[in-house]
Amino acid sequence: AQSVAQPEDQVNVAEGNPLTVKCTYSVSGNPYLFWYVQYPNRGLQFLLKYITGDNLVKGSYGFEAEFNKSQTSFHLKKPSALVSDSALYFCAVRGSSGYSTLTFGKGTMLLVSP
Amino acid sequence: NAGVTQTPKFQVLKTGQSMTLQCAQDMNHNSMYWYRQDPGMGLRLIYYSASEGTTDKGEVPNGYNVSRLNKREFSLRLESAAPSQTSVYFCASSRGPPSYEQYFGPGTRLTVT
Repeated sequence: AQSVAQPEDQVNVAEGNPLTVKCTYSVSGNPYLFWYVQYPNRGLQFLLKYITGDNLVKGSYGFEAEFNKSQTSFHLKKPSALVSDSALYFCAVRGSSGYSTLTFGKGTMLLVSP
Repeated sequence: NAGVTQTPKFQVLKTGQSMTLQCAQDMNHNSMYWYRQDPGMGLRLIYYSASEGTTDKGEVPNGYNVSRLNKREFSLRLESAAPSQTSVYFCASSRGPPSYEQYFGPGTRLTVT
């Protein structure tokens, strides 16, 4: 069975500071990894994905994520946080063999203070 | 290009009533999904349709049925609503390999009293 852990329910950061939202995963075979963002009363929006290739993946709104196979992690990062980045962030994983559905983490609320 | 649309946006039901949540996508995606989102639980998959003509159970299918009406439309039916089904329901779609990311609708907020 595949699973995702987001160990922090909430991350607080000041505007202009770097941010990291943590994600670890468990899956059979090679992982396909995703980050989504959800603003209040909205659906989830796709931010970025890792399928294969470079371990550092760049996505929308200046976000990036680093895939670390040995640590089974896929942390979301941004060099300089904006107040408008405040939202709920979900990490998700699926296996690479056959047809597999996405398994989501429970989400991490990011709060960026002015 | 509307993406993924869902109707209705809000619904209040009494215990035992039935309803159907509608979902449509205009991106020519093969796969469609229904999730529910509850506080502290993340998203849990109810049912999915890998391709037109197929449907499969997800993590929490009890109390729900689905119909993949055609490639565009995927509906979720609650035959006899229960208070435990109070949730926000999201429909999503994806093209399939090599792009596996899912695209989500705006959600339906359902309250069962």
